[in-house]
Amino acid sequence: DPKIIQKPKYLVAVTGSEKILICEQYLGHNAMYWYRQSAKKPLEFMFSYSYQKLMDNQTASSRFQPQSSKKNHLDLQITALKPDDSATYFCASSQTGLSSYEQYFGPGTRLTVL
Amino acid sequence: QQKVQQSPESLTVSEGAMASLNCTFSDGTSNNFRWYRQHSAKGLEVLVSIFSDGEKEEGRFTAHLNRANLHVSLHIREPQPSDSAVYLCAVSMGPGTGSKLSFGKGAKLTVSP
Repeated sequence: DPKIIQKPKYLVAVTGSEKILICEQYLGHNAMYWYRQSAKKPLEFMFSYSYQKLMDNQTASSRFQPQSSKKNHLDLQITALKPDDSATYFCASSQTGLSSYEQYFGPGTRLTVL
Repeated sequence: QQKVQQSPESLTVSEGAMASLNCTFSDGTSNNFRWYRQHSAKGLEVLVSIFSDGEKEEGRFTAHLNRANLHVSLHIREPQPSDSAVYLCAVSMGPGTGSKLSFGKGAKLTVSP
């Protein structure tokens, strides 16, 4: 059974619209993350949460808003979508927010903005 | 800002031959290093983590770390066609700096039968 679930797997949106990417982890972890992988760019850190609190935000734009309704959920709301937002978005989790713990990644949501 | 560079960008080896991948990083205070594997259109699978200079083996995967040279490598013993994937080097800072991972662009490994 998958331990980190991301929904949907594929998403197509129009410019200016708003979408929510879902992430649920069943590893019992206390820290969760979002990363983005754009074409021809390295995987890029976006946010980290620990015990449902924001720990680090490396995303310049306020259009990206993580939402943690439950301990094992970290959704990503993206507003006013732009074609440059097209990427695969990966959710990850680790036991705690300390760097010595492994981060486990979900299968990703591939977002295409037209 | 941490810069992580991987070489080569792509590598083709024959089944059973050793495959070696390299990674350099810019911040000498980094102390957590990981190699991930990414099969096409799938998530990342952690292969080996290393935190101190020297060697760390996990099955057929061995990481070598030399922080003085800002270099970490991955060696894959007896690679199989199923090892064909993109390999990613990830670097994070030490305690107190959070757990943000900085990734290289990846190295595409092809293992031919």
